[in-house]
Amino acid sequence: AQSVAQPEDQVNVAEGNPLTVKCTYSVSGNPYLFWYVQYPNRGLQFLLKYITGDNLVKGSYGFEAEFNKSQTSFHLKKPSALVSDSALYFCAGHNAGNMLTFGGGTRLMVKP
Amino acid sequence: DTGVSQDPRHKITKRGQNVTFRCDPISEHNRLYWYRQTLGQGPEFLTYFQNEAQLEKSRLLSDRFSAERPKGSFSTLEIQRTEQGDSAMYLCASSPHRSGLNTGELFFGEGSRLTVL
Repeated sequence: AQSVAQPEDQVNVAEGNPLTVKCTYSVSGNPYLFWYVQYPNRGLQFLLKYITGDNLVKGSYGFEAEFNKSQTSFHLKKPSALVSDSALYFCAGHNAGNMLTFGGGTRLMVKP
Repeated sequence: DTGVSQDPRHKITKRGQNVTFRCDPISEHNRLYWYRQTLGQGPEFLTYFQNEAQLEKSRLLSDRFSAERPKGSFSTLEIQRTEQGDSAMYLCASSPHRSGLNTGELFFGEGSRLTVL
């Protein structure tokens, strides 16, 4: 069985500071990993994905994520947070199978 | 707008009533997924279709739930004899799928929120 864990329910960061949202995975075989963002009363929006290749993946809105096979992690990062980045972030993964498994989500609060 | 659309966006019903949600995927996407999301939680997989064939169903999908995609385009999710525990956001997503190339990126609609009183 595959699973994705987000150990932090909430992350607080000041505007302009770097942010990290953590994700660890348990996926057999080669993992396909994703980050999605959800704003209030909206659907999920794709941010970025790791399929293969470079361990550092760049995505939308200045976000990036680092795939670390030895630590089975795929943390989301941004060098300088914006208040508008405040939202719910979901990590998800699969092993070239048929469905994405999502983590429980992390609420990011960026304060001015 | 060529994204995934869902209807209705909000539905309030009384316990025991039947409800139906519709999803129109991105037109060239042959895969369509239904997920359920409760407040503050991550989406949970319910079922998915490839064209008109329903290929997988989660154990979360009790016999009160039925999903169809009759012509391989839009899909409906029906919940019969609703219970308060069915209150959730029902998310539809679609993706293109070609043999040997399945990166798994899903494109989500904005969801249909169900409240069962």
